[in-house]
Amino acid sequence: QKEVEQNSGPLSVPEGAIASLNCTYSDRVSQSFFWYRQYSGKSPELIMSIYSNGDKEDGRFTAQLNKASQYVSLLIRDSQPSDSATYLCAVSSGTYKYIFGTGTRLKVLA
Amino acid sequence: DAGVTQSPTHLIKTRGQQVTLRCSPKSGHDTVSWYQQALGQGPQFIFQYYEEEERQRGNFPDRFSGHQFPNYSSELNVNALLLGDSALYLCASSRTGFAGEQFFGPGTRLTVL
Repeated sequence: QKEVEQNSGPLSVPEGAIASLNCTYSDRVSQSFFWYRQYSGKSPELIMSIYSNGDKEDGRFTAQLNKASQYVSLLIRDSQPSDSATYLCAVSSGTYKYIFGTGTRLKVLA
Repeated sequence: DAGVTQSPTHLIKTRGQQVTLRCSPKSGHDTVSWYQQALGQGPQFIFQYYEEEERQRGNFPDRFSGHQFPNYSSELNVNALLLGDSALYLCASSRTGFAGEQFFGPGTRLTVL
């Protein structure tokens, strides 16, 4: 079992729709969770961080964390073609090591 | 406010050679982590430096070594290059005690022939 799992996609959504990206992790003691966006040929860009159960909203982005189910998700409202990218989930268990998933490729169709 | 910078942008080496990659952290950051990202994969943690010491290491051989300088900048050295070392090498900086958020530099694309 991979430590951090994401569906590789591509996930295709029409412009204006909600995109839902999911991530599961295996280490129960994980404490910090991050979502990064990576455009093709570029480096990852931090979108959201979340540390406690529940929802955290920032503009069009909402991160959701459920530690009991070892599940973290990212919702993107009013998706735009410029949101088309690979979204990486990263998890830290309180050590200094960060584990990344392989990423989900999102395509927003105009 | 300068972000994380890395040099060089691209590098081509041959098998067996050695390479040094450089990173300057974001202003106010004191911690530097290095990652290797192969095509189609997520970044893989190599190691993290804080106070000029390596304080965590991922599953990478001793051919991968690093250094952090008093100004918090860092180097990644890879000896005896293999074809499989071809990847995007990413540096990420963070501020100790600031909830672990890491910010990435643009990366160095290493090609080993």
